[in-house]
Amino acid sequence: GQQVQQSPASLVLQEGENAELQCNFSTSLNSMQWFYQRPGGSLVSLFYNPSGTKHSGRLTSTTVIKERRSSLHISSSQTTDSGTYLCALDYNQGKLIFGQGTKLSIKP
Amino acid sequence: EAAVTQSPRNKVAVTGGKVTLSCNQTNNHNNMYWYRQDTGHGLRLIHYSYGAGSTEKGDIPDGYKASRPSQENFSLILELATPSQTSVYFCASASDSSNSDYTFGSGTRLLVI
Repeated sequence: GQQVQQSPASLVLQEGENAELQCNFSTSLNSMQWFYQRPGGSLVSLFYNPSGTKHSGRLTSTTVIKERRSSLHISSSQTTDSGTYLCALDYNQGKLIFGQGTKLSIKP
Repeated sequence: EAAVTQSPRNKVAVTGGKVTLSCNQTNNHNNMYWYRQDTGHGLRLIHYSYGAGSTEKGDIPDGYKASRPSQENFSLILELATPSQTSVYFCASASDSSNSDYTFGSGTRLLVI
């Protein structure tokens, strides 16, 4: 079965609303990583988070290993936040298993 | 600025032909990776390398070879391209300490006809 499951698959919000993206995993990990991908573009690293909570501007990542989940919270969303967000489980020396992504659309 | 550069950006290949995708990094990272991204599958690991001269099979290596002739360069080789290998290919590099500095290239869009 799929080792990394992301939800929701897509999310549409009005500018200013908060977004909550979830990632659940079924195997042991070294760390969870979150990436942002523009349409047709490369991936940009947002967080490397083995456990606990990390902050970067309006973004917050929380990984709870015992519950086998990681989340990405975006506060006060902006239209420029639109794109695809990918979580990836680092299971061994940088080898990543990706979720299928959450496509986020922020409407003005 | 440290970066991962892929070439070509777009490629059309004929079934049965040989295709080489190139990746160059200026991050001085030991680890390099090749992934492919397909709708419905997300990104999947094809091959990886922990240093010059070494390559390892990832999760979906069949039909692909890899070459790491130097710290900076990592190539993905399709000896006999098939339409099922039509995809977007991403190269990435990371240091071997914590892999918290994962850096991706811009991708190569490959169409095999």
